[in-house]
Amino acid sequence: DVKVTQSSRYLVKRTGEKVFLECVQDMDHENMFWYRQDPGLGLRLIYFSYDVKMKEKGDIPEGYSVSREKKERFSLILESASTNQTSMYLCASSSTYEKLFFGSGTQLSVL
Amino acid sequence: QKEVEQNSGPLSVPEGAIASLNCTYSDRVSQSFFWYRQYSGKSPELIMSIYSNGDKEDGRFTAQLNKASQYVSLLIRDSQPSDSATYLCAVNDFGNEKLTFGTGTRLTIIP
Repeated sequence: DVKVTQSSRYLVKRTGEKVFLECVQDMDHENMFWYRQDPGLGLRLIYFSYDVKMKEKGDIPEGYSVSREKKERFSLILESASTNQTSMYLCASSSTYEKLFFGSGTQLSVL
Repeated sequence: QKEVEQNSGPLSVPEGAIASLNCTYSDRVSQSFFWYRQYSGKSPELIMSIYSNGDKEDGRFTAQLNKASQYVSLLIRDSQPSDSATYLCAVNDFGNEKLTFGTGTRLTIIP
């Protein structure tokens, strides 16, 4: 079975903390994505990556950065967490534009 | 910026009836169209893709695309309680790995 694994299901952080969300896929996919999902706003793309060490901004990159040092791992970094970054974060990977495989998500609460 | 619009619902349909979900998009160059299903508390999963005008059938699901009118729909025949979920419409341009999602329509099948 294909698998996209996100390191934490629930995470609680304080305002101003640096937060790392980790995602690992075992499908040898070139493309990886970070979305956030909020009620009424749907899935919004934060960053994506076509290859190792390559990254592209999505629709809402402000306040976030990413790292892709290895093909299977894509990390999302909140440099200084704020309350408006409380959200469900979903990682996904794909080999083509046809089908995204999503991880189980990380519910982040910033207090 | 590309927009994908869906009625948020909830849409309630009796068991055994046809559920009809609609999606409109703003960008005329959009080439590929997808329907993802998301159960409560779970991640989205791809159920249908369509690229050409007309209908595409897969079991109880039919996707319909009308590029001139810029809409795509999903029909679910013989609706079952297990079809109760949020359905996300997604679009992208040819060769573009970046999907734009709608906000989703919550569907409830009433036994």
